[in-house]
Amino acid sequence: KQEVTQIPAALSVPEGENLVLNCSFTDSAIYNLQWFRQDPGKGLTSLLLIQSSQREQTSGRLNASLDKSSGRSTLYIAASQPGDSATYLCAVRNTNAGKSTFGDGTTLTVKP
Amino acid sequence: DVKVTQSSRYLVKRTGEKVFLECVQDMDHENMFWYRQDPGLGLRLIYFSYDVKMKEKGDIPEGYSVSREKKERFSLILESASTNQTSMYLCASSSTGVPYEQYFGPGTRLTVT
Repeated sequence: KQEVTQIPAALSVPEGENLVLNCSFTDSAIYNLQWFRQDPGKGLTSLLLIQSSQREQTSGRLNASLDKSSGRSTLYIAASQPGDSATYLCAVRNTNAGKSTFGDGTTLTVKP
Repeated sequence: DVKVTQSSRYLVKRTGEKVFLECVQDMDHENMFWYRQDPGLGLRLIYFSYDVKMKEKGDIPEGYSVSREKKERFSLILESASTNQTSMYLCASSSTGVPYEQYFGPGTRLTVT
């Protein structure tokens, strides 16, 4: 059974700092990995999706990487801003199932 | 712009009531999902559907049922609401082709009193 872990559970940084969020998974037979952002009381917004054949994806100040062999993905946020404050979740889609397994998320606070 | 909508943002129901949560997507996606999200427990899959009239149980289907009569609409039904079903309910959809990206609705905060 796939297990997805995100450490740390919470992170607080000063504005302008570059930071890395981590996501690890136990079963490397994945189809894709998706990073989401969730603001309090809201739904999930898709940030980046990496196919299993890809190593990384970039969107603006965000860069996500994938290392299937080690069961890890990272989300890099450059020049963080207070508006980046949110919970970030990763989700792994397994090859043989239509379902995804979600991590519990990392709650990021960017202080002005 | 892709869109998943949910019928209510906030809902308050009484114990024992039958509750319907509606989800509609406009992306012609085959797959649709219902999750619930609780502090400390994360996102848990209740049911998903990969085609009209097709459904599969997720990790926590007890106390819930679903209906998918049309491709764009997926309903979650609480047959007899209980206080332990107070939660945030999230609907999502994805295609069956590449890239299988999931899109989520805004969520329904259900309170059962």
